Amino acid sequence: NAGVTQTPKFRILKIGQSMTLQCTQDMNHNYMYWYRQDPGMGLKLIYYSVGAGITDKGEVPNGYNVSRSTTEDFPLRLELAAPSQTSVYFCASSYDSQMEQFFGPGTRLTVL
Amino acid sequence: EDQVTQSPEALRLQEGESSSLNCSYTVSGLRGLFWYRQDPGKGPEFLFTLYSAGEEKEKERLKATLTKKESFLHITAPKPEDSATYLCAVTEAAGNKLTFGGGTRVLVKP
Repeated sequence: NAGVTQTPKFRILKIGQSMTLQCTQDMNHNYMYWYRQDPGMGLKLIYYSVGAGITDKGEVPNGYNVSRSTTEDFPLRLELAAPSQTSVYFCASSYDSQMEQFFGPGTRLTVL
Repeated sequence: EDQVTQSPEALRLQEGESSSLNCSYTVSGLRGLFWYRQDPGKGPEFLFTLYSAGEEKEKERLKATLTKKESFLHITAPKPEDSATYLCAVTEAAGNKLTFGGGTRVLVKP
């Protein structure tokens, strides 16, 4: 079991560029989540999904989009990168919304 | 709106010096309270889930407790390898997501 994997590990973007952060889990979990973590802070929820084809906004969704076409994959799209999106992004999954979440290693994104 | 507040923000301990971290929360119907450990440059790692007031869970030098308004993570005789950021998070009965606190950064010096 690889658990939750994320690619890339690091990325530098220019303002206005777009990119997709990839997330895959091999635990057959229904629930998947995207968080961002700014330096010295806790995690803030961007989007989440309760199953393939179903997504919903979290606390800080502006500037991001998601899709969930399969149980395994939950990509996060940044359309017009802004310096405020410089952060570390974590993907997580869980079997149930009330059970523990398993986190990926993170993607460190810098927008210049 | 759900709120989770952790204190202190940072804690410096000598090896063997026991201490406690606090997590206070305001949610409309707590469903579960979670503790995670996060090492620098890594994703959070699950430690404990607590579901009801009075519940306690232990793992090595860590012990988590829960009351109706807060949770404590007790670190007994810490070692340098216990240095990490400890995150607390809650779910409410009607919700599908975790709300995280800001974390407590723990540094244990030998």
